[in-house]
Amino acid sequence: DQQVKQNSPSLSVQEGRISILNCDYTNSMFDYFLWYKKYPAEGPTFLISISSIKDKNEDGRFTVFLNKSAKHLSLHIVPSQPGDSAVYFCAARYGNNRLAFGKGNQVVVIP
Amino acid sequence: DTGVSQNPRHKITKRGQNVTFRCDPISEHNRLYWYRQTLGQGPEFLTYFQNEAQLEKSRLLSDRFSAERPKGSFSTLEIQRTEQGDSAMYLCASSSQLGGLRDEKLFFGSGTQLSVL
Repeated sequence: DQQVKQNSPSLSVQEGRISILNCDYTNSMFDYFLWYKKYPAEGPTFLISISSIKDKNEDGRFTVFLNKSAKHLSLHIVPSQPGDSAVYFCAARYGNNRLAFGKGNQVVVIP
Repeated sequence: DTGVSQNPRHKITKRGQNVTFRCDPISEHNRLYWYRQTLGQGPEFLTYFQNEAQLEKSRLLSDRFSAERPKGSFSTLEIQRTEQGDSAMYLCASSSQLGGLRDEKLFFGSGTQLSVL
């Protein structure tokens, strides 16, 4: 069963505009949510995280929003840059620092 | 380079053969994880070590799979009698848990891409 869901597999956005990625989850026991970025032939790279007791975390161009009542989080990238073109995975932590991942969203930033 | 290192990067094997992958975690990290990623999917948890102890195994890890982490440093993942369904990217990750603090970030290696013919 897919505990972390990412819909809209791909997203194209103009350079300088905002990219918004969405993620839904089902397990209320998740205590941390993370976003990872992945380039082809490389492993996922940590981007930003948020604790389940917070509703927003910001790091430079990246902001993650958490709506616990809706079991929904989103990642905002502003402004989008061509180097942001990658696959983005939403992940949720449970148990002994295990992560459950979504299927990923392909982001293409058009120069 | 102080990141997570995985070898080999690519492995092509024939069905029925055994393969072994190696992972060298970030040196101060005491936790090590193996994940598997197939095309179009996110990484899926396989197993987890704290120091040299293997503390958890996913049901995805069949009897043909075995992982070790002797001396709590590098780890190996062996697949015996490979099947075509084993074709995937095998990812290793590490994290630290020092002084009771839990670091939620996992640092991943570049993975080993396995192709079973």
